[in-house]
Amino acid sequence: DAKTTQPNSMESNEEEPVHLPCNHSTISGTDYIHWYRQLPSQGPEYVIHGLTSNVNNRMASLAIAEDRKSSTLILHRATLRDAAVYYCILRDLETSYDKVIFGPGTSLSVIP
Amino acid sequence: EAQVTQNPRYLITVTGKKLTVTCSQNMNHEYMSWYRQDPGLGLRQIYYSMNVEVTDKGDVPEGYKVSRKEKRNFPLILESPSPNQTSLYFCASSLGRDYNEQFFGPGTRLTVL
Repeated sequence: DAKTTQPNSMESNEEEPVHLPCNHSTISGTDYIHWYRQLPSQGPEYVIHGLTSNVNNRMASLAIAEDRKSSTLILHRATLRDAAVYYCILRDLETSYDKVIFGPGTSLSVIP
Repeated sequence: EAQVTQNPRYLITVTGKKLTVTCSQNMNHEYMSWYRQDPGLGLRQIYYSMNVEVTDKGDVPEGYKVSRKEKRNFPLILESPSPNQTSLYFCASSLGRDYNEQFFGPGTRLTVL
């Protein structure tokens, strides 16, 4: 099963961009890259997903390497509300079974 | 309000006493799933259900049962809880397995003594 690795923690200053990396060197051709985040004392929350092309939505941008072995979640202007644990996960939507594995994630601290 | 609800939110119980954690969604979602979260291990999938009457094992199903008799509910059953099942449990749902956005419930913190 494809797995992801992320740094344990990162820090950012408020109102600056944040680049959260994720490595997934064993990704298969049909694995979608998903990002979720978990605010303190809450359930995870969907952020963004992509397959091959870069993606933008109101929350963030997702940059996917050309070989798809890594990706980066970009928060364009970090706010204090963005302090959370960010999870990068792979999910193959073309298999008959479903396996969703969240790793330990990256704990993002935002400094005022 | 569209949401996933879980009950109870907190539970302390003793080894061997059967318990059920309920999960309900009001979004007419076909796909539902249970996760447990433990320090340093992230979230691990316990069971999932692609539709009514269809359930399957996730990564860590041992010691758990589920049922999906109706679309909105997906209870998690611990027939004989043990201390290693002390954890934070999350239920999630999505329109379907092929829809990428899962909506998570608020969590149930379970302690088994």
